[in-house]
Amino acid sequence: QVQLQESGPGLVKPSETLSLTCTVSGGSVSSDNYFWTWIRQPPGKGLEWLGYIYNSGNTYYNPSLKSRVTVSVEASKNQFSLKLTSLTAADTAVYYCARYYSGGNKYCFDSWGQGNLVTVSS
Amino acid sequence: DIQMTQSPSSLSASVGDRVTISCRASQSISSFLNWYQQKPGKAPKLLIYTASRLESGVPSRFSGSGSGTDFTLTISSLQPEDFATYYCQQSHSIPYTFGQGTNLEIK
Repeated sequence: QVQLQESGPGLVKPSETLSLTCTVSGGSVSSDNYFWTWIRQPPGKGLEWLGYIYNSGNTYYNPSLKSRVTVSVEASKNQFSLKLTSLTAADTAVYYCARYYSGGNKYCFDSWGQGNLVTVSS
Repeated sequence: DIQMTQSPSSLSASVGDRVTISCRASQSISSFLNWYQQKPGKAPKLLIYTASRLESGVPSRFSGSGSGTDFTLTISSLQPEDFATYYCQQSHSIPYTFGQGTNLEIK
């Protein structure tokens, strides 16, 4: 059973860059059919898909974030990462890493990390 | 972007009740619709994928239906552990989007 675990800061200053890492165990970030994903949830609000990366290195992002988001993968460590630049208070959220399965009749986020609360404040 | 709208936003029900939650897409998404359950302080959990397919390990009291723009999640007989927030999500096109959530509370 795959497990995902986020790591990173809990507090970041406005205008700075957020960096989060997701460590995958019980599965490989190089596997076919899986896209490695970041999703966030502001306190008390709904879920927003930020972007994902496929093992080939192809990335897909939410246009709403314009050019602030970057997702990368480090296969040797079985990890993938999120960078979000130019932070504001509106970026305060729980950030989840997740696995998106794509194939056959299944296209969904089938495994999630526990979440990492990030507060943007000076 | 495809907008997903759930109804109701909140719902009170009792153990043993049959409950239905609706999700409407702003354009046709075929059957690319998934349902998740989220409990306070926890990550969402996949319940139903491709509109009607039950994820492994999910109790059979959960079922999904629909296609095109209108979808439904049904819980046939509510159990105490089912009180949570439920989200629909479309995988038809990027950016993937979620409904605003339905908070299922104990009556």
